[in-house]
This record gives sequence, C-alpha cells and structure tokens, in this order.
Amino acid sequence: KNEVEQSPQNLTAQEGEFITINCSYSVGISALHWLQQHPGGGIVSLFMLSSGKKKHGRLIATINIQEKHSSLHITASHPRDSAVYICAVRWLRDGGSQGNLIFGKGTKLSVKP
Amino acid sequence: KAGVTQTPRYLIKTRGQQVTLSCSPISGHRSVSWYQQTPGQGLQFLFEYFSETQRNKGNFPGRFSGRQFSNSRSEMNVSTLELGDSALYLCASSLGVTPPREQYFGPGTRLTVT
Repeated sequence: KNEVEQSPQNLTAQEGEFITINCSYSVGISALHWLQQHPGGGIVSLFMLSSGKKKHGRLIATINIQEKHSSLHITASHPRDSAVYICAVRWLRDGGSQGNLIFGKGTKLSVKP
Repeated sequence: KAGVTQTPRYLIKTRGQQVTLSCSPISGHRSVSWYQQTPGQGLQFLFEYFSETQRNKGNFPGRFSGRQFSNSRSEMNVSTLELGDSALYLCASSLGVTPPREQYFGPGTRLTVT
C-alpha cells in the first residue's frame, strides 16, 4: 500500500466545472504539498498546508489532519488548468524530525472547452 | 530573483558510463532536494541537503550519490548507468527543512541511457 494515495487517477471535465482531487496518507506529517506539473515536466508548488484551508485565485486546498486527508478544489475550471496534480507529504519521524517528501502518483486533469 | 537552474537539460549516456547533474538553488535557499521521476514509479526522493549536510536519503542504490557545496549549489552523480536510470531528474530548493518550507522546482534534467 502506498503511503500517499490520490484519487481519481484521471479526470476529464468540461470548462466551468467544479473539480475536486483527493489525497489520503497513512503517515504522520508536518506538511502537505499540492504540486502542478504541465507537459514538458516543470513542477510548480500550488500550496503547502499543515492545517485548515488555503485559497489562491480559483484554487482551494483543505486538509483534515485527524482524518489524514486533503482535497484540492478548482472552481470554474479552464482548459489551461489541464495538468497533472501531485500530492506530497513531508513525513515526521517518531522523534519529531522531518523526513523527506513522499509523493502520490498524481491526478491527470483534462479540461475540455 | 532567478529560479532554480539545472544543467544540463538533456543528456544521453551509454550503459556503464557515469553522469553528474548540477543544480543551482534560488539565492538564499540553503536546502536542496533531488528527485527521480519515471512514468512507472512517479516521483521518488533521492537526497536532501541542508548547509552541506545530507539530511535525508532515499531508497536508491549506492550508485547514486550527491553533495552540496558551501554556496548551496548541489550535484548528484550516478555511476555505472543502467537502462532503468533513464528518467527526469528534478531538484528543488527551499529556505530550509525545519519548519517545512515551500519547495521550488527546477526544470529538470532528462537523462536517457542507451
């Protein structure tokens, strides 16, 4: 079982739709990252969360630490949102020191005009 | 501020050769991490450095090594290349490790091993 699970793996939406991508993890964490990767490889950090909710433009990220779950929402989706969205967690060792980032497999989003 | 730069951007090597990849972090960033991305395995962690010290190491064979210099620039080396080492190698920089910080990724080096 992977320590970070994302769903769905693939998502096709029509322009304007509300989109939700989910991330569940099984380890203790100090932070969760949402990343965006466009074709060609470049990765952009969208959010880093340790609690609650963050909003940037049409993007909203939430995290529930007790349930070990995070969601990324895109409101009023647009074809330029088409990309792979990757969830990553910074795991915490038993002693409290920071481990490395562990990544989900990604969600490939395609938004049709 | 200039972003994270990686050199070279593309590389073709033959099995058995070795390769060195370079990463220059954003000015002021003291932490550099390296990742391997393949279609089958996705993104996997290789190394993390902070102030020239390796903080974390991923589950890769000893053929993979890295280091960080006093100016925070980092290199990773892969010796005795195998076909399975063909991948996109990404580095990311951040201000530090504790508390966790946002990571800024470079464009990657695409390595092809023939």
